[in-house]
Amino acid sequence: GAVVSQHPSWVICKSGTSVKIECRSLDFQATTMFWYRQFPKQSLMLMATSNEGSKATYEQGVEKDKFLINHASLTLSTLTVTSAHPEDSSFYICSAMGLAGGLVETQYFGPGTRLLVL
Amino acid sequence: KNQVEQSPQSLIILEGKNCTLQCNYTVSPFSNLRWYKQDTGRGPVSLTIMTFSENTKSNGRYTATLDADTKQSSLHITASQLSDSASYICVVSGQAGTALIFGKGTTLSVSS
Repeated sequence: GAVVSQHPSWVICKSGTSVKIECRSLDFQATTMFWYRQFPKQSLMLMATSNEGSKATYEQGVEKDKFLINHASLTLSTLTVTSAHPEDSSFYICSAMGLAGGLVETQYFGPGTRLLVL
Repeated sequence: KNQVEQSPQSLIILEGKNCTLQCNYTVSPFSNLRWYKQDTGRGPVSLTIMTFSENTKSNGRYTATLDADTKQSSLHITASQLSDSASYICVVSGQAGTALIFGKGTTLSVSS
């Protein structure tokens, strides 16, 4: 099946630093990738939609200058949390849209990245 | 407003028992409905995906049903195992290219 990886799986950083999270589709090409944030016991919240070769589309309330998204290739999207603060601590999950051998285009999720800002 | 409601919010069952999780949605137009399993601290993993023309789909001990007329879906887990303990999320997709609508999930705990 389709595999989406994220790196790192967890990161601890000091307040004010920037953190980059990578999302890769390992065995299929994804023109569209999505970034979600999930707080404990809450559902996934879509932050932004990332399209290869174009600017990301951010959901209402998500600061585009705070969460920088780059979709440089059909298999890689990155999310950079700039000047991270403790309230940015969360579980960040990416997904990649693809057919991956199926008949219905499906979002395949990465394993998530746990961010803790001290 | 497009919404996905899941019930129950949480469920505790004994190992070996069966259980059924419910999902009601108001998403329109409707494209497909997916059930995901999310282990704690992990990303969601797809269990089933159904289009409007499909009534039931199985994946091992997981069987999903869909009634597009009443906009209801269920996920039935047979002979539960300890490893089934997870959050089960119902996700509905509208028109192609639109965002997925996530339910809040049902937290299932299977005890021995």
